[in-house]
Amino acid sequence: EPEVTQTPSHQVTQMGQEVILRCVPISNHLYFYWYRQILGQKVEFLVSFYNNEISEKSEIFDDQFSVERPDGSNFTLKIRSTKLEDSAMYFCASSPAMQEAWYEQYFGPGTRLTVT
Amino acid sequence: AQKITQTQPGMFVQEKEAVTLDCTYDTSDPSYGLFWYKQPSSGEMIFLIYQGSYDQQNATEGRYSLNFQKARKSANLVISASQLGDSAMYFCATRVLTGGGNKLTFGTGTQLKVEL
Repeated sequence: EPEVTQTPSHQVTQMGQEVILRCVPISNHLYFYWYRQILGQKVEFLVSFYNNEISEKSEIFDDQFSVERPDGSNFTLKIRSTKLEDSAMYFCASSPAMQEAWYEQYFGPGTRLTVT
Repeated sequence: AQKITQTQPGMFVQEKEAVTLDCTYDTSDPSYGLFWYKQPSSGEMIFLIYQGSYDQQNATEGRYSLNFQKARKSANLVISASQLGDSAMYFCATRVLTGGGNKLTFGTGTQLKVEL
């Protein structure tokens, strides 16, 4: 069964460093998302991406964050200058259609980012 | 804005018993979907079940069923014949179609522990 993959599974970085989290969505999906989950808290939406542009973003997704689809398979989240409060699990998700409300979003296994 | 409320931070159930996890939502959009996800200790997000706002019947998927009461804005998850492997965090989420929006909004989750 097709699945969303994410690399790395765990990333440790120093405060102020740039990190890039990578995702490979399911191949025929058109919509891509990033969510984050601070330890012990709920999952929060960051950004959605369609047709090579951001379709929606939350207030968390400030100028320090950016997303890109550099080729036909990868979808990346970049954090320019990491802060301690960026430490969280970051989930990538993809879905085949936007207008069908019942389409689930398929989540990847997550990347745990630890900022020291 | 959508809001999901899960009032049970933790629940215990005995193996083979049924358990209901509560979820209420708040949205003014007439067209929306309700989702339940399971998050085991390993961290991945596993889709369990979906209910559309216009669906006449309650959704069922194997041992999972969704008790949808639209007028009360509740979408409780019922797990029948609980198994030890059901021990996990369970998140309720909603998705609306207002303005083409497709993000999932999650509740704070319920930690379920299945006991022998």
